[in-house]
Amino acid sequence: EVQLVESGGGLVQPGRSLRLSCAASGFTFDDYAMHWVRQAPGKGLEWVSGISWNSGSIGYVDSVKGRFTISRDNAKNSLYLQMNSLRAEDMALYYCAKGSGTIIDNYYFDYWGQGTLVTVSS
Amino acid sequence: QSVLTQPPSVSGAPGQRVTISCTGSSSNIGANYDVHWYQQLPGTAPKLLIYGNSNRPSGVPDRFSGSKSGTSASLAITGLQAEDEADYYCQSYDISLSGSVFGGGTKLTVL
Repeated sequence: EVQLVESGGGLVQPGRSLRLSCAASGFTFDDYAMHWVRQAPGKGLEWVSGISWNSGSIGYVDSVKGRFTISRDNAKNSLYLQMNSLRAEDMALYYCAKGSGTIIDNYYFDYWGQGTLVTVSS
Repeated sequence: QSVLTQPPSVSGAPGQRVTISCTGSSSNIGANYDVHWYQQLPGTAPKLLIYGNSNRPSGVPDRFSGSKSGTSASLAITGLQAEDEADYYCQSYDISLSGSVFGGGTKLTVL
């Protein structure tokens, strides 16, 4: 059974940093691209970032470029999102999602975690 | 303002058929990228409903179907049931943005 468990969310002041983690199990982690998708309170889904199976290809939504860094450790079956210079508009539930293939284009998200909540407030 | 446009809400009585549209552009759906659909029940994570325009993952009832034409796609739900009440999102890839894009979501109400 595929399981994705996010952690690392919490309350953080604007301008500070936070690191999210996603522990994956139930599939061959290094065979698939992985993604972060967020959902602001009461709002829709927004793709944040994706990373290919071997970290060779990485993408970000424009609003987080230069502030967020995605990474993965295939030996630990883990995905990460380093979030710096956090803004009020980054406040959301952050989902870890498994990509349908090895690369990060023309893909879908076939499994999702339950999400970890990031609250940005002074 | 989402890159893919969906109606904010649709409704139907039990047993009826409803459709949800998803309109994109020449840089995403019209560029021959696939459309995928997700169902998000209240308080839960999204679940893959349709992939590759019209394919159902194992376990998804055949009451759910998808189609794509030109720069648009549609999700159809037949034989509406109370348990179908949820938010539905379409998703595709956008070559101009070099990333995935979602529709704004459609809230389905079963009357």
